[in-house]
Amino acid sequence: DARVTQTPRHKVTEMGQEVTMRCQPILGHNTVFWYRQTMMQGLELLAYFRNRAPLDDSGMPKDRFSAEMPDATLATLKIQPSEPRDSAVYFCASGRLGLAVADTQYFGPGTRLTVL
Amino acid sequence: GQNIDQPTEMTATEGAIVQINCTYQTSGFNGLFWYQQHAGEAPTFLSYNVLDGLEEKGRFSSFLSRSKGYSYLLLKELQMKDSASYLCAVRAWGRAAGNKLTFGGGTRVLVKP
Repeated sequence: DARVTQTPRHKVTEMGQEVTMRCQPILGHNTVFWYRQTMMQGLELLAYFRNRAPLDDSGMPKDRFSAEMPDATLATLKIQPSEPRDSAVYFCASGRLGLAVADTQYFGPGTRLTVL
Repeated sequence: GQNIDQPTEMTATEGAIVQINCTYQTSGFNGLFWYQQHAGEAPTFLSYNVLDGLEEKGRFSSFLSRSKGYSYLLLKELQMKDSASYLCAVRAWGRAAGNKLTFGGGTRVLVKP
């Protein structure tokens, strides 16, 4: 049963610290998405990779957030420095590029980040 | 840009039927998805429509009217475990959009005994 994995599942840190979140997409998927979910804003797209190349990061605050995909099995999202307003659940999702129903996105379990 | 609207919350009784509406405005429409999200968990894929009409999958059905920019998710024979948020998402196609989804705010459904 192929799944998207994310680490860590929970992270509590202090304001100003660097936070790194990791995601392993489903093998064979060529698109990776990072989302942030809060009660107020819902599910927001932060960044989107296709074949490891960044395609859209317009939803990401550029001054403190960065997303990379060093290889096909690892995507990272970094926040430096972190701020209390970054507290949220961060989801990674992966999928195949296409128009069929099978080309939907599959979500990882999320990283619950709390910045004090 | 894209705009997706769905009700914030709905309450229904166990065994009943609930219909969650979703209206959208988008360019380059290429599919509408419904996801279910239980509290504290990740969204999971429920259904997909790209052509007009009704898609049925067990107790869940989803309908799409592209000309009206409208979809609904129908949950029949409600069970307590159906208490969750239901997210409507629209896929827009384009060289840059790829298979990017834009999500609505979600509808929280509470099933009461």
